[in-house]
Amino acid sequence: DAKTTQPTSMDCAEGRAANLPCNHSTISGNEYVYWYRQIHSQGPQYIIHGLKNNETNEMASLIITEDRKSSTLILPHATLRDTAVYYCIVNSGYSTLTFGKGTMLLVSP
Amino acid sequence: GAVVSQHPSRVICKSGTSVKIECRSLDFQATTMFWYRQFPKQSLMLMATSNEGSKATYEQGVEKDKFLINHASLTLSTLTVTSAHPEDSSFYICSARRVAGVGETQYFGPGTRLLVL
Repeated sequence: DAKTTQPTSMDCAEGRAANLPCNHSTISGNEYVYWYRQIHSQGPQYIIHGLKNNETNEMASLIITEDRKSSTLILPHATLRDTAVYYCIVNSGYSTLTFGKGTMLLVSP
Repeated sequence: GAVVSQHPSRVICKSGTSVKIECRSLDFQATTMFWYRQFPKQSLMLMATSNEGSKATYEQGVEKDKFLINHASLTLSTLTVTSAHPEDSSFYICSARRVAGVGETQYFGPGTRLLVL
């Protein structure tokens, strides 16, 4: 699976949009971009995934660049409960998810 | 999303004893289940992958005789930590996937915190 690069940490004010970037320049044509988050002392929670097109669900939006070499996860109105480590993972869906270090998002009042 | 449960959520045991952790997919059939381990301030590390009715595949460095995995049905996998030692204290997380297919999602359980005294 392709490697991803994410910032170590980010801050966001409560109520503001949180935009979490991810670089995956070696992504293959059949690989999806998945986003998970892990709140302290809990198991990872699935957020969203996409292949080429932008995706949106009740939790977040995923914007994938046209060349698919990077993506951005958008939490439109961050709350304190969104404080977590966010993982961007590239995977074909056939192999196991491999977790990197992720981005620690701290949402402050 | 699909729901995966784990039991117990936390366990404390004495060194040398065995501990069994259960992982269940509640609203879907999981053809494949995964067991991860997470030490403090580190990311999740895959321990093993199991397919229903077959032997688990262990990652390099994970002792298969120490971490026994049974995936007896499409909704249940168990991890038994045999002869546990303090260094086995960790956060164990299971994950389940319906079908190994394009874009299929893995869903994770809430984790089990093991403390070996």
